[in-house]
Amino acid sequence: SQTIHQWPATLVQPVGSPLSLECTVEGTSNPNLYWYRQAAGRGLQLLFYSVGIGQISSEVPQNLSASRPQDRQFILSSKKLLLSDSGFYLCAFSGGGRGQPQHFGDGTRLSIL
Amino acid sequence: QKEVEQDPGPLSVPEGAIVSLNCTYSNSAFQYFMWYRQYSRKGPELLMYTYSSGNKEDGRFTAQVDKSSKYISLFIRDSQPSDSATYLCAPSQGGSEKLVFGKGTKLTVNP
Repeated sequence: SQTIHQWPATLVQPVGSPLSLECTVEGTSNPNLYWYRQAAGRGLQLLFYSVGIGQISSEVPQNLSASRPQDRQFILSSKKLLLSDSGFYLCAFSGGGRGQPQHFGDGTRLSIL
Repeated sequence: QKEVEQDPGPLSVPEGAIVSLNCTYSNSAFQYFMWYRQYSRKGPELLMYTYSSGNKEDGRFTAQVDKSSKYISLFIRDSQPSDSATYLCAPSQGGSEKLVFGKGTKLTVNP
């Protein structure tokens, strides 16, 4: 079966520190991969998506970057965190076919102090 | 006009009630329609997945799509306290890798 793992579940970081969130998918090959941020009252905001290794599309200009070093691994990074980077970060994957639904990990709750 | 509009609620119902959750959308190119359920502090979980207009039933859940009105609904029969969650609609064009999410409706089912 297809599963998605995302860690850590909770993270508290000081302003100006770096960030690395990791997501891995099992049970499927060449998935589409996504990073979202969910803020209270604002819904899900798509940050990045990837249709293959090394192929990253950015949806929102910001302090974050994404990389896909392996087929089923997706990493969200920042060199210097801002207070506004606080939020609930979700990784998701979908099959490569037309109209395939996305499946989400359990998210990382990031607090910036 | 936003691409997807969803009443945020909150919606509170007694156990056993029939619940109706709704979204409207503006993009006539949407062909695939998904409903997600999200419990507090968890990721969204795919609940229903439909293509084009019509109804789809899965146990106590029924998803309904009316493309002519650009209106999508999720009905929950015999609601249970375990149904208490936020429900998000998410239409897609298919061909595009992206979903467009509604902001979610928070539902509480009271025992």
